[in-house]
Amino acid sequence: QKEVEQNSGPLSVPEGAIASLNCTYSDRGSQSFFWYRQYSGKSPELIMSIYSNGDKEDGRFTAQLNKASQYVSLLIRDSQPSDSATYLCAGASGGSYIPTFGRGTSLIVHP
Amino acid sequence: EAGVTQSPTHLIKTRGQQATLRCSPISGHTSVYWYQQALGLGLQFLLWYDEGEERNRGNFPPRFSGRQFPNYSSELNVNALELEDSALYLCASSLRGVDYGYTFGSGTRLTVV
Repeated sequence: QKEVEQNSGPLSVPEGAIASLNCTYSDRGSQSFFWYRQYSGKSPELIMSIYSNGDKEDGRFTAQLNKASQYVSLLIRDSQPSDSATYLCAGASGGSYIPTFGRGTSLIVHP
Repeated sequence: EAGVTQSPTHLIKTRGQQATLRCSPISGHTSVYWYQQALGLGLQFLLWYDEGEERNRGNFPPRFSGRQFPNYSSELNVNALELEDSALYLCASSLRGVDYGYTFGSGTRLTVV
């Protein structure tokens, strides 16, 4: 059973702080990882993808991957109230093409 | 560029009826995926279509079915509706391959009464 685990939260951070969202996965064959943002009542939106160990930066977002520890994280710098949403982590392996989604972490950024 | 479009936005059906949901992928995307997101639950994979063929299906009963048309649009059919089928149904499209993330449509909210 492939699993992607996330803390459901909510994670509450003050405006301007760094929000750190974490995800672990069970399938060692996973090779591609994705972070989606889902606002309440809306559909998920892809914000980051990462395939190699290390960090990948895109604007205020940094994704981190550690395949040895089977760990993926998303850092949001200078958090804004508009970042308040549920963040979904997903991992995919070459065998099935179908990513396994975590249940998401709720992030609240308060002014 | 037009995104993934789904119709209808909302659908109310009576238990035992059939529901048909439709999805048009982003131009150039050949893969279409269907997911169910029930209230408080995560995304549950339903079906994957690519190049007109069903490539994979999730752990759902056969009354959940669908198809993909030559223009890569897709429809999801749910027969013999049950109350627990009430959920947000999301369609996503992508290029084929494990390295490509999804673009989701805005979803169809199905309510079974």
